[in-house]
Order: sequence, then C-alpha cells, then structure tokens
Amino acid sequence: EDQVTQSPEALRLQEGESSSLNCSYTVSGLRGLFWYRQDPGKGPEFLFTLYSAGEEKEKERLKATLTKKESFLHITAPKPEDSATYLCAVQSNILTGGGNKLTFGTGTQLKVEL
Amino acid sequence: EAGVVQSPRYKIIEKKQPVAFWCNPISGHNTLYWYLQNLGQGPELLIRYENEEAVDDSQLPKDRFSAERLKGVDSTLKIQPAELGDSAVYLCASSFTGMSGELFFGEGSRLTVL
Repeated sequence: EDQVTQSPEALRLQEGESSSLNCSYTVSGLRGLFWYRQDPGKGPEFLFTLYSAGEEKEKERLKATLTKKESFLHITAPKPEDSATYLCAVQSNILTGGGNKLTFGTGTQLKVEL
Repeated sequence: EAGVVQSPRYKIIEKKQPVAFWCNPISGHNTLYWYLQNLGQGPELLIRYENEEAVDDSQLPKDRFSAERLKGVDSTLKIQPAELGDSAVYLCASSFTGMSGELFFGEGSRLTVL
C-alpha cells in the first residue's frame, strides 16, 4: 500500500525566512509525485508534478525536488500570502480501473508572519 | 474557464437524515472524483468515474453511500442515513484523464452531522 508522510505538521516562519517541507513516500513503482496548496475553506490547488529522481520544478518562491525516497518543497524568502497547507501526493504504476490512484499525505500547515 | 462547481457549500443535518452533494466538473474532463477530507488530514478517494462508469469505488461505504454520474457530466454523492462520523468535507475533482495526477478540485461541501 502506498504511503506518504509529511513533516513538519506545522511550520511558522518570519517573512523572508527560507525553509523546506519534507514528503517521504513508499510506493510500488512511482508514476508521479505531486504538490498541492490548500487554503482554508478551499479545495487543493495543483502546484507541481515530479516524475523521476533528480527532477526539479520551480514556481515563483517555490521549488520542488525529488529523490527516490522523498521530495522537498523549498520556500525561498516567503511572504504572508504563501501561508497555506501544502499537500504531497503520490501516484503508483499499479492500474486500477484504467487509471492510477492518488495517495495524499496529511499536509504541512505553513504560516508566514510579518 | 469555469472551475469545478460544488453545492451546497455547507450542510448541517441530524443523524439518520439523508444528504446529497452535487458536482459539475470542468467541461471536457472525462474523469471525476469524490474525495473525503477530515480535519487535519489529506483527501481520501471515495470513488472515481471515467465518463459515466465508476471504475474505482473500493473506498466507498456502499451500505450508506451512493454516487452517480449522469451522462458523464454532473455527479451526485448521497449519504443515507448519515452518521456522526460522516462529518467532513466532501471534495469533488476532475481531470482530463484518469492517468493524470493534476486534479482540479472544487471548494468542497462541508457536512456537519448532529
């Protein structure tokens, strides 16, 4: 069974204080690893897809990286508007009904303060 | 482009009452998902549709939950009768294909069972 563990559960940063969120995973053949952002009272919003170890993706102050066992979401010089819960999900190569199941972690709740 | 639309946003009912949630996916998206999200947890898949066919419903509690996707577009998720433990956010998502890990989520329907 696919498993995703995210750490820390919560993180409080000062504006401009860079940090990283961790996503450790166990999967029977990784098809893709995904990062989502979720604001309070909203549904998750897609950020990145990573397919293979060594791959990196960037978007504004966010950079996602992938190894064979974990992924990191690096936040450089964060701003208060980056405050949200960041969810990691994995998709395995095992087919179920013609598609691939997405397994989510419990998320890291990020709070960026002035 | 319109996003995934869900209704109602909030619903409060007493236990043993029925409740239904409606979802309109993004136009052209063949795959529709219903997820359950408890407080502080990541989304968990309840059911996935490919067009009008339910292809993965292994996590749907079939004794009280049912779902349908009429004409491969809109979908309804029903709970009858509701239990206290059903209090959660019910998220609908859609994607162009079932192989995609890039899901587009609605804002969710928050259910409170008293």
